[in-house]
Amino acid sequence: GESVGLHLPTLSVQEGDNSIINCAYSNSASDYFIWYKQESGKGPQFIIDIRSNMDKRQGQRVTVLLNKTVKHLSLQIAATQPGDSAVYFCAENGDSSYKLIFGSGTRLLVRP
Amino acid sequence: ETGVTQTPRHLVMGMTNKKSLKCEQHLGHNAMYWYKQSAKKPLELMFVYNFKEQTENNSVPSRFSPECPNSSHLFLHLHTLQPEDSALYLCASSQERTGATYGYTFGSGTRLTVV
Repeated sequence: GESVGLHLPTLSVQEGDNSIINCAYSNSASDYFIWYKQESGKGPQFIIDIRSNMDKRQGQRVTVLLNKTVKHLSLQIAATQPGDSAVYFCAENGDSSYKLIFGSGTRLLVRP
Repeated sequence: ETGVTQTPRHLVMGMTNKKSLKCEQHLGHNAMYWYKQSAKKPLELMFVYNFKEQTENNSVPSRFSPECPNSSHLFLHLHTLQPEDSALYLCASSQERTGATYGYTFGSGTRLTVV
């Protein structure tokens, strides 16, 4: 059976601090990007998305920043809470109109 | 609930068994997907159905057989699986429109254990 798990980058933050999760995407043709949150035992949940004609988009306590020059995407979470502890995935659409390419994820741990 | 329902939530099966995973979406989407998520790898795309037609099979072994009878339902038929097939199987749906991509809505997954 499987004995080695996927080693995810882990970000540990203090409750109340801001969190920044980074993602490097691969395809210059990508024009749609999205962040998902996955809690233990659950499927990924939509957080926020952004299209390539924007470089910033804000939601409730979350902000996504897109830098197309260096193919970088980041997710900022303000005033991080224990309920934010999860694995966060970025995804891009590449040159497809319907298929997303997912990154390997970052684990966010929130210290009380 | 997210609008995408997967059953069962947990499944334990022997290597000689035949079982099926079911996915149903209530969102009016026209594209549906099966993903595999294991401890060793991130989300792996298995199959894509667009308007009920399979548009992608990502080199998946034939012991996994998808079925999409209509745009709301997706099945994954399993037979003679191996222990390394143990994983979380996620179904997702999206609204595919020409010229624009939209995000997926995922189900909660089926945790499959092959013994």
